[in-house]
Amino acid sequence: DAGVIQSPRHEVTEMGQEVTLRCKPISGHNSLFWYRQTMMRGLELLIYFNNNVPIDDSGMPEDRFSAKMPNASFSTLKIQPSEPRDSAVYFCASSRESGETQYFGPGTRLLVL
Amino acid sequence: GENVEQHPSTLSVQEGDSAVIKCTYSDSASNYFPWYKQELGKGPQLIIDIRSNVGEKKDQRIAVTLNKTAKHFSLHITETQPEDSAVYFCAASRGATSYDKVIFGPGTSLSVIP
Repeated sequence: DAGVIQSPRHEVTEMGQEVTLRCKPISGHNSLFWYRQTMMRGLELLIYFNNNVPIDDSGMPEDRFSAKMPNASFSTLKIQPSEPRDSAVYFCASSRESGETQYFGPGTRLLVL
Repeated sequence: GENVEQHPSTLSVQEGDSAVIKCTYSDSASNYFPWYKQELGKGPQLIIDIRSNVGEKKDQRIAVTLNKTAKHFSLHITETQPEDSAVYFCAASRGATSYDKVIFGPGTSLSVIP
């Protein structure tokens, strides 16, 4: 199994630009999670899906952030417009069920200048 | 909602010594407690987990203990090695349900000094 796949691994962009992060969960997993990790705030859950349906998006910082899961094998996290304070490592994780073991991807390191 | 606390936030030990990380949780319905290790530049990876019907679980140099009455659980690493240096996260959840999520602690940065 290839594990959770994220792309791109690194992204450098300028303030105001749109950023799209991509995730392919492990095949057969029903739940998908997006996290943001910074030194100041640690690991924050942004949103999670169960069977492609968003269950809890209370962690999404503001309307500039949106996430979609059009099918069981693909999800995107979009930031529009991006700001310097969005700079962080964004992780995608998947699990068989939402309360079970999560398997994390390698992360996308985002830098907004 | 569920809250998971973790102590200490940083821990330094000499190679060969033991390291202990402690966590407490608030939701008495929690019954699944995984531990994750995050190495520099990588995503967190599961290293061991324990369920509420078990008080202790061991895997080579790593052991976890669970006290459901007190709502706390601990990670024990014996004979520490430099490659154990990482950030460790404890977590808690109600287990395999459709709508409950795993709640992570804030993490412990462990440094093993050669």
